[in-house]
Amino acid sequence: AQSVTQPDIHITVSEGASLELRCNYSYGATPYLFWYVQSPGQGLQLLLKYFSGDTLVQGIKGFEAEFKRSQSSFNLRKPSVHWSDAAEYFCAVGNLEYGNKLVFGAGTILRVKS
Amino acid sequence: KAGVTQTPRYLIKTRGQQVTLSCSPISGHRSVSWYQQTPGQGLQFLFEYFSETQRNKGNFPGRFSGRQFSNSRSEMNVSTLELGDSALYLCASSLNAQQETQYFGPGTRLLVL
Repeated sequence: AQSVTQPDIHITVSEGASLELRCNYSYGATPYLFWYVQSPGQGLQLLLKYFSGDTLVQGIKGFEAEFKRSQSSFNLRKPSVHWSDAAEYFCAVGNLEYGNKLVFGAGTILRVKS
Repeated sequence: KAGVTQTPRYLIKTRGQQVTLSCSPISGHRSVSWYQQTPGQGLQFLFEYFSETQRNKGNFPGRFSGRQFSNSRSEMNVSTLELGDSALYLCASSLNAQQETQYFGPGTRLLVL
């Protein structure tokens, strides 16, 4: 069965500092990997996705993520965090066998201090 | 293009009642998926519909059901509501059913008293 682990429930970073949110997945074949962001009371917005090809993917709002098959990881990074990045971030995995079904991690709440 | 719309946005029901939630996908999208989000269980997949057929179903009791219409709009129904059904219900749409990018609506927040 597929599973996603986001080991950090909360992360606090200073505005302007770099950010890395961790995501580990469990799935036998090549997964489809996603990062979504959710602001309070809102739905989910896609930041970036990995289907195949270049393992470093660029997303919106200056985010990027790197797929590392050997570590079963898909960590999200941003070089300089802005106060507006404060939100909850979800890593998700899917595969063709299950259509559009996504399995989500528990989420990481990002706090940005000025 | 308009995004995914969900109605109603907020709903209060009492135990034992039933509820129907609606989702209108992005124009041209044929796949609609539903998720339940709770503080305790996180985001959990309920079911996916494509061309009016249920393609996948999550691990939820039979009280949770859904359908999709010919215009791709989807509804989900929860019968005999329980307190634990209080959650944010999210709908997502995508062009087809092969792990395409999914776009989420704002959700319907259901409170069961």
